[in-house]
Amino acid sequence: GNSVTQMEGPVTLSEEAFLTINCTYTATGYPSLFWYVQYPGEGLQLLLKATKADDKGSNKGFEATYRKETTSFHLEKGSVQVSDSAVYFCALTRANQAGTALIFGKGTTLSVSS
Amino acid sequence: EAGVTQFPSHSVIEKGQTVTLRCDPISGHDNLYWYRRVMGKEIKFLLHFVKESKQDESGMPNNRFLAERTGGTYSTLKVQPAELEDSGVYFCASSTRARSAEAFFGQGTRLTVV
Repeated sequence: GNSVTQMEGPVTLSEEAFLTINCTYTATGYPSLFWYVQYPGEGLQLLLKATKADDKGSNKGFEATYRKETTSFHLEKGSVQVSDSAVYFCALTRANQAGTALIFGKGTTLSVSS
Repeated sequence: EAGVTQFPSHSVIEKGQTVTLRCDPISGHDNLYWYRRVMGKEIKFLLHFVKESKQDESGMPNNRFLAERTGGTYSTLKVQPAELEDSGVYFCASSTRARSAEAFFGQGTRLTVV
């Protein structure tokens, strides 16, 4: 079946450090891939997405490239800030009868200190 | 414009009791989704409403869970009787089209069953 595997957290970094959060997936067909973020006390927000192989999603300095050959969608940021502290979820869509539902990974907690 | 609102933000109940979670979607959004994150695990899809109809309830864990969306506006998710393993964060999301990836999420309700 379809699934998403993320690196275990928590990830603790100093401000301006480089961030990588690994995400790999198993899916039938050609899923779309997403990263969501949940800041403390807030709901899930879509951070970026990619809908086909070799697409790069980017937003707020974060990037992820859809790699079909390695079934990966790793999240990267060149210089993290304290405000990036949050839980990050990798996800993909699957098709069902009425539309698409999201399949999420377990989430990775990022803590950035100044 | 108000976002997706969930009530309560936190709930602590004893095993065997009943709890009702409420979700107010964004006005005009016909599609409403419930997801759940059990501690340390993935966020999992529970069900999908289109207006007042259940389009996909394949993720509902068992018959102790009852979701309703009378009139196609707000939705409730009732757990009766609650068990310890029901503890987690319950997310609601809504969208105009039947695509979770385009949905806006609420902040979640943290349910603790003791």
